[in-house]
Amino acid sequence: KAGVTQTPRYLIKTRGQQVTLSCSPISGHRSVSWYQQTPGQGLQFLFEYFSETQRNKGNFPGRFSGRQFSNSRSEMNVSTLELGDSALYLCASSPSVDSYNEQFFGPGTRLTVL
Amino acid sequence: AQSVTQLDSQVPVFEEAPVELRCNYSSSVSVYLFWYVQYPNQGLQLLLKYLSGSTLVKGINGFEAEFNKSQTSFHLRKPSVHISDTAEYFCAVSPIPPVGGRRALTFGSGTRLQVQP
Repeated sequence: KAGVTQTPRYLIKTRGQQVTLSCSPISGHRSVSWYQQTPGQGLQFLFEYFSETQRNKGNFPGRFSGRQFSNSRSEMNVSTLELGDSALYLCASSPSVDSYNEQFFGPGTRLTVL
Repeated sequence: AQSVTQLDSQVPVFEEAPVELRCNYSSSVSVYLFWYVQYPNQGLQLLLKYLSGSTLVKGINGFEAEFNKSQTSFHLRKPSVHISDTAEYFCAVSPIPPVGGRRALTFGSGTRLQVQP
């Protein structure tokens, strides 16, 4: 079974631009979560989607948004990019939103904002 | 709210030596506990998790962890490390939801394990 796929793997943008990152979960998984990883703040939860509905949201500004499609693929969007948005963005999928289900992480998208 | 403290940012160890990576957490509610490993340029991989039951949990690659509720700790151990264990290790917690569903993971800052020959 193919793992979680994230595209693109690397991205360079300039301040003020917007960016869209994509995540394809493991086949059959309906929950997708997004995390931001930076050297300073570590791993922080952004949001989780299940069946096209946002189930949970972290403490990030409204510039960060996401959505999930009927095939469970998810996108996250960051508008008006700031230098501090440079990070590794990780996506994780899970069969359901039950806590005991393992979340499987993708390799991440490394975003650099210049 | 929850917080996770990984006391050591880096742990150098020689191959075949034992290792312990420390994790302490703070939470006003009961939590599930996890250890993840991240190899260079890769995502996170679950090593083991504690949901309930026996406080000694065995995971993949020979790792184990012990949940100590009174000390709010969940230290990760391996009796004999290999060069291939060189990676970053993250401890994480999530509150046990009252009626199903999942709560977000709160991660520690990570411990870089450096196994030397």
